[in-house]
Formats: sequence, structure tokens, C-alpha cells
Amino acid sequence: SYELTQPPSVSVSPGQTARITCSGDALPKQYAYWYQQKPGQAPVLVIYKDSERPSGIPERFSGSSSGTTVTLTISGVQAEDEADYYCQSADSSGTYPHVVFGGGTKLTVL
Amino acid sequence: QITLKESGPTLVKPTQTLTLTCTFSGFSLSTSGVGVGWIRQPPGKALEWLALIYWNDDKRYSPSLKSRLTITKDTSKNQVVLTMTNMDPVDTATYYCAHRKDIGGYDFFDYWGQGTLVTVSS
Repeated sequence: SYELTQPPSVSVSPGQTARITCSGDALPKQYAYWYQQKPGQAPVLVIYKDSERPSGIPERFSGSSSGTTVTLTISGVQAEDEADYYCQSADSSGTYPHVVFGGGTKLTVL
Repeated sequence: QITLKESGPTLVKPTQTLTLTCTFSGFSLSTSGVGVGWIRQPPGKALEWLALIYWNDDKRYSPSLKSRLTITKDTSKNQVVLTMTNMDPVDTATYYCAHRKDIGGYDFFDYWGQGTLVTVSS
């Protein structure tokens, strides 16, 4: 089955830039989406269609795509950004596309 | 303002069937492009997509769970129901429903319910 691969953890100091990657063979053909999830809370969409930011999401969150890897970048990381981050895309290898999530990355703000 | 809320049993026994209801407001499932999905998350683990139903009653299921899942909608009640048969302790998870945002026909979720924890135990 199709998988999206994320690093289990990323650590950065406040004010630095955090980069979280997500790899998958179909990413050159399918958009990626990113969700932030804080403990005990539901996920929040922070990036859609690789690099679009929903209203209300701070400008320090950005997304990019290159080949089979997409990247969520958080510039000027703040303590409140500490959370789990999940990428999502679509597996189009079957009869119809279906949703796939990555394994998640825990962002620690040192 | 879009809101969603999951409801259902908090405890089910192995082999039983789980029925969860998502009650939503702020949108209609009869509007073109709209959809509602179900996603679950075992304690301490990653998100797992389960199913998605669209405004036109088209349905999509996770290939690995397809044989156990059924998703339906009641547009008049603003509800989506997910049933999962033959529950097992490994199905213990927080179950979320979410609004599918319609941009160019792509599936992703911009509003989520608070989630409901379902424990499978005898």
C-alpha cells in the first residue's frame, strides 16, 4: 500500500526555522496537505495544495514541493508551534484516489 | 460557521459493530462538492483515514478496512453515520469526522470535530 514517510521528530530552538519533510512516490502527481495537532486537540489544516495557507494560519507556515518530497517550513518558530504535524495526500494507484496520511512528526521547540 | 461533533458509544465489546454519528452545522451535504470524512487515531499513534462521503452520495473507503466499513448520510438531519463491524481491541482510537473542503476536486479536511474516544474491550 502507498505510504507517506515523515521523520518521527524534529527539534529547533525558538526563532529558528523548522523543516518537516514528507516523502511519497505519488507526490509529483498529487497535492500534499499539512495538519498541526496539539495534545488533546483535533488536527488543524495549516497548508493545502502543497503551498496554500488557509485564512487565519500565520505567515510563518509555508509549504513547498520538489519531486517526491514535500516540505512544511515554519520560520521563526515559536513555543506555541510545538505539536505533531501530519502530511496528507492521495493514493491514486487503485480504482479511485483515496486519502493517505503520513506517520506524523513531533516538533519540539527547545 | 462550520462545526462537527461525533457521538456514539465510548465502549464496545470485541466482535460488536460500532456505529458513530457525525452531526454538523454550517454547511449542507446537498451542496455540490461538499463531503464528510472519518479519520481515527489510536492513542499515541498517527491519523488513519477511514471513509469519505460526497454530496452526490459517492463513497470512498480505506482499502484495508473497506470490508468492515459503511458510511451513509442523512441530509435532512445534517448527519453522517459510520458503521464498523467486527470490532477488535486494535480499533481502540479517537474517531474524528471532518468537513471535506472542495477546491478543484481534491480531498482534504478544513474543519474537524473534537473527536470521540472509542475503547474496544470485553
